[in-house]
Amino acid sequence: AQSVAQPEDQVNVAEGNPLTVKCTYSVSGNPYLFWYVQYPNRGLQFLLKYITGDNLVKGSYGFEAEFNKSQTSFHLKKPSALVSDSALYFCAVRDIGPNSGYALNFGKGTSLLVTP
Amino acid sequence: DTAVSQTPKYLVTQMGNDKSIKCEQNLGHDTMYWYKQDSKKFLKIMFSYNNKELIINETVPNRFSPKSPDKAHLNLHINSLELGDSAVYFCASSRGTTDTQYFGPGTRLTVL
Repeated sequence: AQSVAQPEDQVNVAEGNPLTVKCTYSVSGNPYLFWYVQYPNRGLQFLLKYITGDNLVKGSYGFEAEFNKSQTSFHLKKPSALVSDSALYFCAVRDIGPNSGYALNFGKGTSLLVTP
Repeated sequence: DTAVSQTPKYLVTQMGNDKSIKCEQNLGHDTMYWYKQDSKKFLKIMFSYNNKELIINETVPNRFSPKSPDKAHLNLHINSLELGDSAVYFCASSRGTTDTQYFGPGTRLTVL
């Protein structure tokens, strides 16, 4: 099955500094990769996705992600963090094949804390 | 306008009861999903429903059953609730099986 891993439980960054939230993937074939954000007591909001094309994907709220095939990574980045970016971030990969339902397989999540 | 909505937002009930969670999407999508988020925030697919084809995650107990009265709705029915069913349940939808999934606000189920 397709899977992703988020190696960090928490990332701390000062406001105004660049941020990176890491994600690596393990797939057979071409990956369909996604980033979602979850604010406290809220649903998941879609940030961006990589299907094919440019390795640098731009998304909502100033976030971007870089697809790196050789390193099997899809790290989420933002040039200048805001306190309001503090949330739980999930990397996900679309499952494929019979009986997958094309559902998303999520990483465990990374909690981002941006301090003033 | 809310794209994917769920009711209720909170559900507190006793063990052994039967309950339902409703999900509606107004995006015109033809594929809907139910995910479970446990106390450690881990998200796992429960069901995928597309064009009357239901795909069930093999780990989901048969006490859980999705019902779709039409393409815009996928309700989740749970029989004989157990303590371990306490979690947040998210509904999602997408256009086809390869497009972006959009999530509802979640339903926090607490079984006492």
